[in-house]
Amino acid sequence: EVQLVESGGGLVQTGGSLRLSCAASGFTFSSYWMSWVRQAPGKGLEWVANIAGDGSATYYVDSVEGRFTISRDNAKNSLYLQMNSLRAEDTAVYYCGRVTGGHDVNDYWGQGTLVTVSS
Amino acid sequence: EVVLTQSPATLSLSPGERATLSCRASQSLSSFLAWYQQKPGQAPRLLIYDASNRATGIPARFSGSGSGTDFTLTISSLEPEDFAVYYCQQRRNFGQGTRLEIK
Repeated sequence: EVQLVESGGGLVQTGGSLRLSCAASGFTFSSYWMSWVRQAPGKGLEWVANIAGDGSATYYVDSVEGRFTISRDNAKNSLYLQMNSLRAEDTAVYYCGRVTGGHDVNDYWGQGTLVTVSS
Repeated sequence: EVVLTQSPATLSLSPGERATLSCRASQSLSSFLAWYQQKPGQAPRLLIYDASNRATGIPARFSGSGSGTDFTLTISSLEPEDFAVYYCQQRRNFGQGTRLEIK
Protein backbone atom coordinates (compact mmCIF):
# COMPACT_ATOMS: atom_id res chain seq x y z
CA GLU A 1 0.00 0.00 0.00
CA VAL A 2 1.36 3.40 -0.97
CA GLN A 3 1.74 5.71 2.02
CA LEU A 4 3.02 9.26 2.28
CA VAL A 5 3.37 10.83 5.71
CA GLU A 6 4.36 14.47 6.11
CA SER A 7 5.87 16.01 9.21
CA GLY A 8 7.67 19.15 10.30
CA GLY A 9 4.94 21.73 10.11
CA GLY A 10 4.30 24.26 12.83
CA LEU A 11 4.25 27.92 13.81
CA VAL A 12 7.16 30.04 12.66
CA GLN A 13 7.84 33.77 12.64
CA THR A 14 8.03 35.83 9.49
CA GLY A 15 11.51 35.49 8.03
CA GLY A 16 12.10 32.16 9.73
CA SER A 17 12.82 28.71 8.37
CA LEU A 18 11.19 25.31 8.51
CA ARG A 19 11.98 21.92 7.01
CA LEU A 20 9.17 19.61 5.97
CA SER A 21 9.64 15.88 5.53
CA CYS A 22 7.60 13.26 3.72
CA ALA A 23 8.19 9.57 4.47
CA ALA A 24 7.22 7.28 1.61
CA SER A 25 6.48 3.56 1.64
CA GLY A 26 4.79 0.90 -0.46
CA PHE A 27 6.49 1.73 -3.77
CA THR A 28 9.93 2.10 -5.35
CA PHE A 29 10.54 5.67 -4.24
CA SER A 30 13.49 6.38 -6.51
CA SER A 31 11.43 5.57 -9.62
CA TYR A 32 9.02 8.47 -9.17
CA TRP A 33 9.03 12.21 -9.42
CA MET A 34 7.65 13.71 -6.23
CA SER A 35 5.99 17.04 -5.57
CA TRP A 36 4.81 19.49 -2.93
CA VAL A 37 1.40 21.15 -3.27
CA ARG A 38 0.01 23.63 -0.75
CA GLN A 39 -3.39 24.94 0.22
CA ALA A 40 -3.86 28.19 2.12
CA PRO A 41 -6.70 28.17 4.67
CA GLY A 42 -10.04 28.16 2.85
CA LYS A 43 -8.35 28.44 -0.56
CA GLY A 44 -7.58 26.23 -3.52
CA LEU A 45 -4.59 24.09 -4.41
CA GLU A 46 -1.24 25.56 -5.47
CA TRP A 47 1.61 23.52 -6.94
CA VAL A 48 4.88 24.40 -5.18
CA ALA A 49 7.76 22.25 -6.44
CA ASN A 50 8.75 18.90 -7.85
CA ILE A 51 11.86 16.77 -8.12
CA ALA A 52 12.99 13.97 -10.41
CA GLY A 53 13.36 10.42 -9.12
CA ASP A 54 17.14 10.67 -9.02
CA GLY A 55 17.09 14.25 -7.78
CA SER A 56 18.71 15.55 -10.95
CA ALA A 57 15.99 18.07 -11.77
CA THR A 58 13.87 20.40 -9.67
CA TYR A 59 11.22 22.98 -10.49
CA TYR A 60 9.53 25.66 -8.41
CA VAL A 61 6.61 28.04 -8.60
CA ASP A 62 7.87 31.59 -9.05
CA SER A 63 6.68 32.74 -5.63
CA VAL A 64 9.03 30.36 -3.77
CA GLU A 65 11.99 30.29 -6.16
CA GLY A 66 15.17 31.14 -4.25
CA ARG A 67 13.51 30.66 -0.85
CA PHE A 68 12.42 27.00 -0.91
CA THR A 69 14.52 23.94 -1.77
CA ILE A 70 13.08 20.55 -2.59
CA SER A 71 15.32 17.53 -2.08
CA ARG A 72 15.14 13.80 -1.49
CA ASP A 73 17.06 10.95 0.08
CA ASN A 74 16.28 7.79 -1.84
CA ALA A 75 18.13 5.63 0.69
CA LYS A 76 15.68 6.82 3.33
CA ASN A 77 12.61 6.97 1.05
CA SER A 78 12.15 10.56 2.09
CA LEU A 79 11.24 13.84 0.46
CA TYR A 80 12.02 17.25 1.95
CA LEU A 81 11.10 20.89 1.55
CA GLN A 82 13.44 23.42 3.11
CA MET A 83 11.58 26.70 3.50
CA ASN A 84 13.54 29.88 4.24
CA SER A 85 12.57 33.55 4.48
CA LEU A 86 9.01 32.55 5.23
CA ARG A 87 6.21 35.01 4.63
CA ALA A 88 2.65 35.23 5.89
CA GLU A 89 1.42 34.17 2.44
CA ASP A 90 3.27 30.86 2.82
CA THR A 91 0.78 29.85 5.52
CA ALA A 92 -0.88 26.69 4.23
CA VAL A 93 -1.28 22.96 4.52
CA TYR A 94 1.59 21.39 2.59
CA TYR A 95 0.96 18.07 0.87
CA CYS A 96 3.56 15.78 -0.64
CA GLY A 97 2.49 13.77 -3.64
CA ARG A 98 3.71 10.98 -5.88
CA VAL A 99 3.78 12.07 -9.50
CA THR A 100 2.46 9.67 -12.12
CA GLY A 101 2.95 9.86 -15.84
CA GLY A 102 4.60 12.90 -17.38
CA HIS A 103 2.16 15.67 -16.58
CA ASP A 104 2.55 16.46 -12.87
CA VAL A 105 -0.49 14.42 -11.86
CA ASN A 106 -0.37 13.25 -8.23
CA ASP A 107 -1.87 9.79 -7.87
CA TYR A 108 -1.13 9.57 -4.14
CA TRP A 109 -1.09 12.30 -1.53
CA GLY A 110 -0.04 12.56 2.09
CA GLN A 111 -2.41 13.86 4.76
CA GLY A 112 -0.69 17.24 4.83
CA THR A 113 1.17 19.29 7.43
CA LEU A 114 0.16 22.81 8.47
CA VAL A 115 2.65 25.64 8.29
CA THR A 116 1.64 28.89 9.97
CA VAL A 117 3.79 31.97 9.46
CA SER A 118 3.06 34.79 11.87
CA SER A 119 4.68 37.94 13.02
CA GLU B 1 0.89 30.24 -18.12
CA VAL B 2 -2.32 28.30 -18.54
CA VAL B 3 -5.34 29.59 -16.62
CA LEU B 4 -8.02 27.06 -15.74
CA THR B 5 -11.52 28.37 -15.07
CA GLN B 6 -14.00 26.05 -13.40
CA SER B 7 -17.74 26.49 -13.50
CA PRO B 8 -20.00 26.75 -11.73
CA ALA B 9 -18.32 27.85 -8.51
CA THR B 10 -21.02 26.04 -6.55
CA LEU B 11 -23.40 23.35 -7.74
CA SER B 12 -26.41 22.37 -5.62
CA LEU B 13 -27.91 18.98 -6.44
CA SER B 14 -29.68 16.09 -4.76
CA PRO B 15 -28.48 12.50 -4.39
CA GLY B 16 -29.33 10.51 -7.48
CA GLU B 17 -29.03 13.50 -9.81
CA ARG B 18 -26.44 13.92 -12.52
CA ALA B 19 -23.60 16.42 -11.97
CA THR B 20 -21.73 18.16 -14.76
CA LEU B 21 -18.64 20.19 -13.85
CA SER B 22 -16.73 22.27 -16.37
CA CYS B 23 -13.07 23.26 -16.69
CA ARG B 24 -12.03 25.68 -19.42
CA ALA B 25 -8.38 26.35 -20.27
CA SER B 26 -6.94 29.59 -21.60
CA GLN B 27 -4.99 27.65 -24.22
CA SER B 28 -5.16 24.20 -25.74
CA LEU B 29 -4.06 21.38 -23.42
CA SER B 30 -4.48 18.44 -25.78
CA SER B 31 -5.83 15.81 -23.35
CA PHE B 32 -3.53 16.48 -20.40
CA LEU B 33 -6.08 17.29 -17.74
CA ALA B 34 -6.74 15.72 -14.35
CA TRP B 35 -9.61 15.95 -11.86
CA TYR B 36 -9.40 15.65 -8.08
CA GLN B 37 -11.97 15.39 -5.32
CA GLN B 38 -11.34 16.94 -1.91
CA LYS B 39 -13.45 16.53 1.20
CA PRO B 40 -13.09 18.79 4.28
CA GLY B 41 -9.97 18.03 6.27
CA GLN B 42 -8.71 15.51 3.72
CA ALA B 43 -6.08 15.44 1.02
CA PRO B 44 -7.18 15.60 -2.61
CA ARG B 45 -7.93 12.29 -4.33
CA LEU B 46 -7.15 11.69 -7.99
CA LEU B 47 -10.29 10.82 -9.97
CA ILE B 48 -9.43 11.26 -13.64
CA TYR B 49 -6.18 11.71 -15.57
CA ASP B 50 -5.50 12.40 -19.23
CA ALA B 51 -9.00 13.86 -19.45
CA SER B 52 -10.92 10.58 -19.48
CA ASN B 53 -9.03 7.83 -17.65
CA ARG B 54 -10.34 6.83 -14.23
CA ALA B 55 -7.73 6.42 -11.54
CA THR B 56 -7.41 3.17 -9.63
CA GLY B 57 -10.44 2.40 -7.49
CA ILE B 58 -12.60 5.24 -8.78
CA PRO B 59 -16.25 4.22 -9.31
CA ALA B 60 -17.64 4.08 -12.84
CA ARG B 61 -20.16 6.85 -12.07
CA PHE B 62 -17.26 9.29 -12.47
CA SER B 63 -16.30 10.07 -16.05
CA GLY B 64 -14.22 12.71 -17.78
CA SER B 65 -14.37 14.07 -21.29
CA GLY B 66 -13.04 16.83 -23.46
CA SER B 67 -9.91 17.96 -25.22
CA GLY B 68 -8.25 21.18 -26.27
CA THR B 69 -9.72 23.89 -24.05
CA ASP B 70 -13.02 22.45 -22.76
CA PHE B 71 -13.25 19.60 -20.30
CA THR B 72 -16.07 18.07 -18.29
CA LEU B 73 -16.31 15.88 -15.21
CA THR B 74 -19.61 14.02 -15.00
CA ILE B 75 -20.98 12.14 -12.02
CA SER B 76 -23.82 10.07 -13.41
CA SER B 77 -25.84 9.56 -10.23
CA LEU B 78 -24.73 11.36 -7.08
CA GLU B 79 -24.05 9.38 -3.94
CA PRO B 80 -24.00 11.11 -0.53
CA GLU B 81 -20.22 10.74 -0.36
CA ASP B 82 -19.72 12.66 -3.63
CA PHE B 83 -20.50 16.05 -2.12
CA ALA B 84 -17.12 17.72 -1.99
CA VAL B 85 -14.91 20.22 -3.81
CA TYR B 86 -13.57 19.26 -7.24
CA TYR B 87 -10.43 20.65 -8.86
CA CYS B 88 -9.09 20.35 -12.37
CA GLN B 89 -5.36 20.41 -13.02
CA GLN B 90 -3.10 20.82 -15.99
CA ARG B 91 0.60 20.35 -15.21
CA ARG B 92 1.39 22.89 -12.48
CA ASN B 93 -1.88 24.78 -12.76
CA PHE B 94 -5.07 24.17 -10.80
CA GLY B 95 -8.54 25.51 -11.31
CA GLN B 96 -10.18 27.40 -8.46
CA GLY B 97 -12.53 24.52 -7.67
CA THR B 98 -16.24 23.71 -7.86
CA ARG B 99 -18.09 23.05 -4.62
CA LEU B 100 -20.73 20.35 -5.03
CA GLU B 101 -23.27 20.71 -2.24
CA ILE B 102 -26.42 18.92 -1.23
CA LYS B 103 -29.60 20.70 -2.29
